[in-house]
Amino acid sequence: QKEVEQNSGPLSVPEGAIASLNCTYSDRGSQSFFWYRQYSGKSPELIMSIYSNGDKEDGRFTAQLNKASQYVSLLIRDSQPSDSATYLCAKGEAAGNKLTFGGGTRVLVKP
Amino acid sequence: GAVVSQHPSRVICKSGTSVKIECRSLDFQATTMFWYRQFPKQSLMLMATSNEGSKATYEQGVEKDKFLINHASLTLSTLTVTSAHPEDSSFYICSARGGRTTETQYFGPGTRLLVL
Repeated sequence: QKEVEQNSGPLSVPEGAIASLNCTYSDRGSQSFFWYRQYSGKSPELIMSIYSNGDKEDGRFTAQLNKASQYVSLLIRDSQPSDSATYLCAKGEAAGNKLTFGGGTRVLVKP
Repeated sequence: GAVVSQHPSRVICKSGTSVKIECRSLDFQATTMFWYRQFPKQSLMLMATSNEGSKATYEQGVEKDKFLINHASLTLSTLTVTSAHPEDSSFYICSARGGRTTETQYFGPGTRLLVL
């Protein structure tokens, strides 16, 4: 079992709709989680971090964390074609301060 | 967010030569920098973690003598690919940790290496 799992997609979403991305992790002790967006040929850029159970909102993005069920999700409201990218879920590792990434979910927002 | 730069953005070299890639944190002091490699259509693969003033910690399977990492200051880390071969062609990305939110990693724009 991979440490961080994501559906590779592509997740096709009509413009204006909500895109829902899920990520599960295997280490119950994980405390910090991150969502990054990566456009084709570019490096990842941070969308948001989340540390506590519940929802965290930033603009059109909402991250949700459920430690009991070991999943973290990302909602993108009012999806735009410019949101078309690969979204990477990552969890922080206390030892070595590393991030462990999932394989990413490719999102396609169609006009 | 914090700004991390990388230089060069793209490099083409002949097989057998060495290539140095620089990673700088521009507006914060990076206690730790990370080097990743990404092949087409694959996810990021962590190569090594470097802390300022100490030796880098390499991930399993990464040759430390081939990928030399130096982290001489809190704002600069370098990755040297020694005796590069075509299979080393990849997208190399650094990230830096530090600043206001110490757990978060901020990525540089990446360096695309092509070894002929």
